[in-house]
Amino acid sequence: KNQVEQSPQSLIILEGKNCTLQCNYTVSPFSNLRWYKQDTGRGPVSLTIMTFSENTKSNGRYTATLDADTKQSSLHITASQLSDSASYICVVTLPAGTALIFGKGTTLSVSS
Amino acid sequence: DAGITQSPRHKVTETGTPVTLRCHQTENHRYMYWYRQDPGHGLRLIHYSYGVKDTDKGEVSDGYSVSRSKTEDFLLTLESATSSQTSVYFCAISRDTFANTGELFFGEGSRLTVL
Repeated sequence: KNQVEQSPQSLIILEGKNCTLQCNYTVSPFSNLRWYKQDTGRGPVSLTIMTFSENTKSNGRYTATLDADTKQSSLHITASQLSDSASYICVVTLPAGTALIFGKGTTLSVSS
Repeated sequence: DAGITQSPRHKVTETGTPVTLRCHQTENHRYMYWYRQDPGHGLRLIHYSYGVKDTDKGEVSDGYSVSRSKTEDFLLTLESATSSQTSVYFCAISRDTFANTGELFFGEGSRLTVL
């Protein structure tokens, strides 16, 4: 069964600290893997996209990595800000674009 | 922000009543989707549309129907709402298919409570 598992389920960090969110998937190969950010009460917004052959992709303080051997992706947030408080969702696109598999998300809380 | 408007944003209704949620886009994107989001679950696809009057079922389509009579509008109907349909519903659009790295742009969500 195609699955995307995210960890931790929730995380609390202090403002200015770094953190890493994990995404483990069973889909292999896949068309692409995206990380979305979802603020409370809003719809998800795409942060990064990586194809199966890419290893890393950055978007400002957000850096996504991909290890096809271990079937893991990570989202690293540098120098966290209060505005980073949100849910982060990992999404894998099946080959031929037949479907998207969504993770359940990691809820990040950044406190001052 | 992508021009996607969902209405209503909040609705409380009773079991057995019909409910229609509307999604309106100003981006002229071909693909439109309805997802539901529940605690403990990832976003789940209800129905999607790949053109005017062209729709197909997603993984959780039972109890839902959709219609797309114009490019810009995609309606989700619950013919007879049940408590299990209490959820947050998101409309999404994309220019390309998933295979072409089509990014999904989401609306703000519609919170539906069925009593």
